[in-house]
Amino acid sequence: NAGVTQTPKFRILKIGQSMTLQCTQDMNHNYMYWYRQDPGMGLKLIYYSVGAGITDKGEVPNGYNVSRSTTEDFPLRLELAAPSQTSVYFCASSFSTGANEQFFGPGTRLTVL
Amino acid sequence: QKEVEQNSGPLSVPEGAIASLNCTYSDRGSQSFFWYRQYSGKSPELIMFIYSNGDKEDGRFTAQLNKASQYVSLLIRDSQPSDSATYLCAVKRQAGTALIFGKGTTLSVSS
Repeated sequence: NAGVTQTPKFRILKIGQSMTLQCTQDMNHNYMYWYRQDPGMGLKLIYYSVGAGITDKGEVPNGYNVSRSTTEDFPLRLELAAPSQTSVYFCASSFSTGANEQFFGPGTRLTVL
Repeated sequence: QKEVEQNSGPLSVPEGAIASLNCTYSDRGSQSFFWYRQYSGKSPELIMFIYSNGDKEDGRFTAQLNKASQYVSLLIRDSQPSDSATYLCAVKRQAGTALIFGKGTTLSVSS
C-alpha cells in the first residue's frame, strides 16, 4: 500500500492564480481530510469528507473548494490564490471517526507570491 | 480559551530523562485523545491514542488522561535524541468528526 499520496510536493503560485492539490489513498478509507499548517502552528481543518459525494466545511474553508467523486481521491482546489494561503497542506484519511488513526500524506508546501 | 492548548516549548531534556508533555482541552464532552509526533518538514505520525481515564502504556510512551481536569499528557521514558520533534495533541469532540489539534510542543533531547 502506498497509503496517502499528495502531489505536488512543492508549488509557487502568483497572486490570483488557481491550482488543485491532489490527494489519493489506497486504504479504502471512508473519511478524508484536508489540513493546513502554518509555521509554529497546529493543523487547521479546511474540509473533510465522510464518503464519496459528501463533503463538509472545517474550521478554515474560505478560499478553497473540494470534491469527492471516488473513495480514493479528494482534491483541494484553490481559487484566486492569496499570500494568506501560503502554508503546508496535509491530506489525511481514516477508516472511520472515533478512536481511529488518521494517516497523513507527505504534504504540499505552497507559496503564494 | 482555545479548544486544545499546549505549551509550545521548547522543552529540553537530557538523554535518558523523562519528558513530560501536557495538553488541556475545553470541550468537556471530548471523547478521544491522540498524540502525534512530527519531525521537522515531515507529516504527523500517530504515537498513541487514549479514550479512558487513567494511563495507557506503549513501550517508552505513556499517555495519561484525566477527564475531570480536562487534561491529557504524554510521558516519554529514557528519552533519546531521535525523540526530538514536535508533539501534537489532538482531540475528537463529542459532536465532531475531525480532530482538533493543538499547536504542538517542541521537544529537544540532548546527548
